[in-house]
Amino acid sequence: KAGVTQTPRYLIKTRGQQVTLSCSPISGHRSVSWYQQTPGQGLQFLFEYFSETQRNKGNFPGRFSGRQFSNSRSEMNVSTLELGDSALYLCASSNSGGGDNEQFFGPGTRLTVL
Amino acid sequence: GQQLNQSPQSMFIQEGEDVSMNCTSSSIFNTWLWYKQDPGEGPVLLIALYKAGELTSNGRLTAQFGITRKDSFLNISASIPSDVGIYFCAGRVRTGANSKLTFGKGITLSVRP
Repeated sequence: KAGVTQTPRYLIKTRGQQVTLSCSPISGHRSVSWYQQTPGQGLQFLFEYFSETQRNKGNFPGRFSGRQFSNSRSEMNVSTLELGDSALYLCASSNSGGGDNEQFFGPGTRLTVL
Repeated sequence: GQQLNQSPQSMFIQEGEDVSMNCTSSSIFNTWLWYKQDPGEGPVLLIALYKAGELTSNGRLTAQFGITRKDSFLNISASIPSDVGIYFCAGRVRTGANSKLTFGKGITLSVRP
């Protein structure tokens, strides 16, 4: 079974631009969660989608948004990029209707904002 | 909010040694998870613990869910060079139909050959 895939793996943007990251979950998984990972803050939860609906949300500004498609693939968007948005963005999928099944992570997208 | 404490930030051990890592919180969790992250990759699930007091092994790894539900530890026995990486603990709380996963900041493990 293929794992979680994320595209692109690396991205360089400049301040003020916007970016869209993509995540394809493990086949059959319906829940997709997004995390931001930085050296100082560790793994910070962004949001979780299940069956095309946002089920949970972390404490990030409205510049961070996401969506999920009917095939469970998910995208996250960051508008008006800031230098502090430079991070590894991780997506995790689980086969979960109630949030109890474990999450499997993709390799991440490394975003650098100049 | 809920926080998980992992310390120290870095650990240095000799190949063949055992190492133990703790994860503590002031909050109760229903599930404890341990992940390992290699450079340039996403975290990989090592062990999941679902019941207070539970002790689970996965090869050279052993983890326990604390009785108070506020802590967990991970032991690695007979370390080898490929054990190098960042080890994260994570705790989950379930509220109704939703659950939230909180991560510690991780411990970077170095193994000297």
